[in-house]
This record gives sequence, C-alpha cells and structure tokens, in this order.
Amino acid sequence: DQQVKQNSPSLSVQEGRISILNCDYTNSMFDYFLWYKKYPAEGPTFLISISSIKDKNEDGRFTVFLNKSAKHLSLHIVPSQPGDSAVYFCAASRPWGTASKLTFGTGTRLQVTL
Amino acid sequence: EAGVAQSPRYKIIEKRQSVAFWCNPISGHATLYWYQQILGQGPKLLIQFQNNGVVDDSQLPKDRFSAERLKGVDSTLKIQPAKLEDSAVYLCASSSHGLSPLHFGNGTRLTVT
Repeated sequence: DQQVKQNSPSLSVQEGRISILNCDYTNSMFDYFLWYKKYPAEGPTFLISISSIKDKNEDGRFTVFLNKSAKHLSLHIVPSQPGDSAVYFCAASRPWGTASKLTFGTGTRLQVTL
Repeated sequence: EAGVAQSPRYKIIEKRQSVAFWCNPISGHATLYWYQQILGQGPKLLIQFQNNGVVDDSQLPKDRFSAERLKGVDSTLKIQPAKLEDSAVYLCASSSHGLSPLHFGNGTRLTVT
C-alpha cells in the first residue's frame, strides 16, 4: 500500500524555468510533510517542510504548497539551476506526540538542462 | 558539524551469508534510524532508536535482521542469513528529536548474489 505517491518518475526543465514536483498521499493522519533531495551515491538531504496547519512554506527558491482537501503537495523551484538536478523525495509523517515515522514516496528525478 | 558516518560503502555477499553495517550518528542526536532503499523505491524505515531503546521496529524482518545501539551512540544493523531481495542501499539517519529533519549518511550499498 503506497501511502505517498510521486507519479512522475522524471522531469526535465530548462535552466531558469520553474520546476514543479508533485506528491499525493492517502493517509489523512499525516500532518507533517517534507521534501528531500538526493544526489547519486549520497544520502538524502532535507530541503523544506510544511505542517498541515499551513498551506504554503517558502525558503529562497523553494516553495512547498499543501492542499489538504486534495491530499496533494507540490514543490516549486524557481528559477531552476543545473545544480538542482537530483532525485526529489516527498515524505510524510504521522501526528506529533507519537513515534515519528517518515513514509517516503518513490522519488522524481529532476534534470535541469542548459 | 560532522555528518552521519556509515561503513562500509559497498558490500557484496552471497545469499545465506551474514553481513553487518555500522553507523555513527551526528554527535548529540538521540534518535537514530535505519532505512532500506530498494532500487526505484523510496527509503523504508526498518528501525528507530531513541537513545539505546527501540521506538519502532514494526517493519524489521526480525527472523533475519537485527539491530542494536549500545550506549545510545553507534549502531549496527545485521542481516543473517541474507537473501537476494535484501539487495538495497541501507541508510542510517539521525535527528536531535522526534520530528526534527533527519540527517542521512551516504548509505551502504549491499548486493546479494
């Protein structure tokens, strides 16, 4: 049962344009969401997060949007840079106060072309 | 600050052999996680420690996998005996508290032949 889904395995975007990565979840108990970025042969690194009490969180070129009614979140990168080329994982967590456990999506490979 | 250290980086073994992975978390991080990432999938939690106690091992195949975190610092993950489907990258992560972002190590890539 895939509770966190990233339906696009790959995405190619030109440098300077906007990259939009999507993520859907099925478990309504999730209330904290994160995006991780992974380069080859390295572990994932934390990028940005959002709590379910918000619908938007911004950090520099990265913005995460959360639509709770649709159980959908997206990561916007603008402007995209070649160094953003990596695999991006969406992750969701169960409620505060319980043992935290991240459920990851299968990842989207972003390629930013010149 | 030094990151999460894992060793070895790569390991190739035959099925039915045993293997162990080692992890040293970021200093002061009380929570330690082991994740399994099979090719084409996202990381899946195997076990979570809080200091030296197990918080969650519900997805750990306990008939062949074991993990310990003696003294609440370093941790080892063992597989005995290994199966072909255990081929994956094993990621160790740590965090300062339950919902702070996880810091991952570079992982150990295991190939079982």
